Amino acid sequence: QVQLQESGPGLVNPSGTLSLTCAVSGDSMTSNNWWTWVRQPPGKGLEWIGEMYHSGGSSYNPSLKSRVTISVDKSKNQFSLKLSSVTDADTAVYYCVRRSSGKNYFEYWGQGTLVTVSS
Amino acid sequence: QSALTQPRSVSGSPGQSVTISCTGTSSDVGGYKYVSWYQQHPGKAPKLMIYDVSKRPSGVPDRFSGSKSGNTASLTISGLQAEDEADYYCCSYAGNYTLVFGGGTKLTVL
Repeated sequence: QVQLQESGPGLVNPSGTLSLTCAVSGDSMTSNNWWTWVRQPPGKGLEWIGEMYHSGGSSYNPSLKSRVTISVDKSKNQFSLKLSSVTDADTAVYYCVRRSSGKNYFEYWGQGTLVTVSS
Repeated sequence: QSALTQPRSVSGSPGQSVTISCTGTSSDVGGYKYVSWYQQHPGKAPKLMIYDVSKRPSGVPDRFSGSKSGNTASLTISGLQAEDEADYYCCSYAGNYTLVFGGGTKLTVL
């Protein structure tokens, strides 16, 4: 049973860097999957942030690309999101998600974690 | 990359059918057979309901069906039930290894 669990600070200062980690169980980071982040501002829709493959391949939402870094830690079986220069527009529930390689849909989702940007 | 366009809300009575549209462009919905649909109840993570335009994952009732014509994909829910009341999101492959979601549709079961 694949499970994903987000963790990280729930409050980030404006202009700071948002950092989240997703712990993966029931699967290996080196499996044939893409490790993805999706976010949802309060009361709004879903937004694909980007994803990474364990060998280093990555893809990012063009609107966020300049501020986003996704990395994979195979030794800890987890992956991470860093979003720099945050504003209140980055306040959202952040989900970590697994997408099987070659499949353009999302089967396994974490429960999500709310990150608020505020001083 | 712009969000796909969905109606903000739809409604129907128990037993009826409803259809939710998802309109994109030839660069996303119209260009690929990779549209998926997700159901999200309040405070919960999204759940995959349809993938590759019209395929259902194991465990999803056959009341849920998907289709596509040109740049518009559709999700149809037949035999509406109270538990179908939720938000629904479409998602499409958009080329260059990117994906894009729709703005979401709130389904109300009257």
